[in-house]
Amino acid sequence: QQQVKQSPQSLIVQKGGISIINCAYENTAFDYFPWYQQFPGKGPALLIAIRPDVSEKKEGRFTISFNKSAKQFSLHIMDSQPGDSATYFCAAADTGFQKLVFGTGTRLLVSP
Amino acid sequence: DGGITQSPKYLFRKEGQNVTLSCEQNLNHDAMYWYRQDPGQGLRLIYYSQIVNDFQKGDIAEGYSVSREKKESFPLTVTSAQKNPTAFYLCASSIRDRVYFGPGTRLTVT
Repeated sequence: QQQVKQSPQSLIVQKGGISIINCAYENTAFDYFPWYQQFPGKGPALLIAIRPDVSEKKEGRFTISFNKSAKQFSLHIMDSQPGDSATYFCAAADTGFQKLVFGTGTRLLVSP
Repeated sequence: DGGITQSPKYLFRKEGQNVTLSCEQNLNHDAMYWYRQDPGQGLRLIYYSQIVNDFQKGDIAEGYSVSREKKESFPLTVTSAQKNPTAFYLCASSIRDRVYFGPGTRLTVT
C-alpha cells in the first residue's frame, strides 16, 4: 500500500518537445505529491508539488496533473530543454507528513 | 550559507568494517532522514527522526544504525551486517512537508 509506481523508466525527448512522466499510487491516505529533480552525483531538489484539492498546478514550464479518482498524477515539462536532462522522481506522503515514499525514477534525456 | 552537509563525498571501505556517514544541517529543521539510492530502485528510506533523541526505522533499516543526540546532526552507521552496502546515501531534513536533500555520500565496499 506504500508503493508509488513511476513510468517510464527512461525517456528521450527532442528539444522543444513535451516530456510526460506518470505516477500511480494505492494508499488513499496520501495527500501530498511532490516531484524531485536530480542531476548526476547530486541530491534531489524539489521541483513542484501538489495536494489533492486541485487537479493541476503549473510553475513555469512544469505542470503537475492530478487525477484523484484514478489515483494518478503526472509531470509535464513543456518546451523541454537539454538542461532539463536529469532523473525525475515522484513521491507521496500522507496526512501529518512523517516521510516521503518515492517512485523508482525516470531518466530524461532531451536531445539538442 | 545554509544547507545540509554530508561528508565525505566518496568513501571506500573493506568488507566487514563498520563505517559512519556524517550529516549536518543548519536549517533548524526538526526532522531528518537517511535514504539509500540504487540504480533503478529510487530512494528507499533507512531511518528517520522527527525530534532529538528519537528515531524510527524506515523500510530497509537492517544493517544500519543511527543516533540523534543533537538537532543539527544525524549520523548513519553502516554495519558489517548490511549485505550490500555499496550505494549512494542521501541525508535529508524537512520543515512541514518540504524536504531538502544533502549532496550525498557514495560508499563503496570491496
